[in-house]
Amino acid sequence: QKEVEQDPGPLSVPEGAIVSLNCTYSNSAFQYFMWYRQYSRKGPELLMYTYSSGNKEDGRFTAQVDKSSKYISLFIRDSQPSDSATYLCAMVASGTYKYIFGTGTRLKVLA
Amino acid sequence: EAGVTQFPSHSVIEKGQTVTLRCDPISGHDNLYWYRRVMGKEIKFLLHFVKESKQDESGMPNNRFLAERTGGTYSTLKVQPAELEDSGVYFCASSLDPYEQYFGPGTRLTVT
Repeated sequence: QKEVEQDPGPLSVPEGAIVSLNCTYSNSAFQYFMWYRQYSRKGPELLMYTYSSGNKEDGRFTAQVDKSSKYISLFIRDSQPSDSATYLCAMVASGTYKYIFGTGTRLKVLA
Repeated sequence: EAGVTQFPSHSVIEKGQTVTLRCDPISGHDNLYWYRRVMGKEIKFLLHFVKESKQDESGMPNNRFLAERTGGTYSTLKVQPAELEDSGVYFCASSLDPYEQYFGPGTRLTVT
């Protein structure tokens, strides 16, 4: 069983929709939860990170962590065609620097 | 501020040859990481430098892979001799803290 599970998609939504992207994990030692966006043939770009449980908002993006369920989410409001990319979740335990990634979800926002 | 840079962007080599990948981290970042993504799989950790010291090399697949970071600045990852299963995209990242790792564009390695 993988430590981090992420639905690969693709997920297709119309422009303006609210997008929900999710990851589940099995290692209760994870404390930091990151979301990256990756465009084709580019490197992962850090969107935001969250420490432990709770919500964090940055513009149109909201990250949620539910440690009791071992479940994290990224919400994108008012999605735009430029949001079309692969979204990767990553996690790291306190005291380590070794990221564990999900496989990524491919998102397509249709104009 | 310049981001993480990697060279080359793409390398095609034959099985048995040697390839060296280079990474220049963001200036001032003591932490440097190498990751790899093989086709259809998730990005996987290879190793972590703090300045010039290897902090964690638990993800290095075997002794055909050698990473160095002379002087605590840029890093190189050498694969010698390359095998077909080494094909993939090699990412370098750097950070001040563990939860804000900034990735480079990657080097796409194809071993034929």
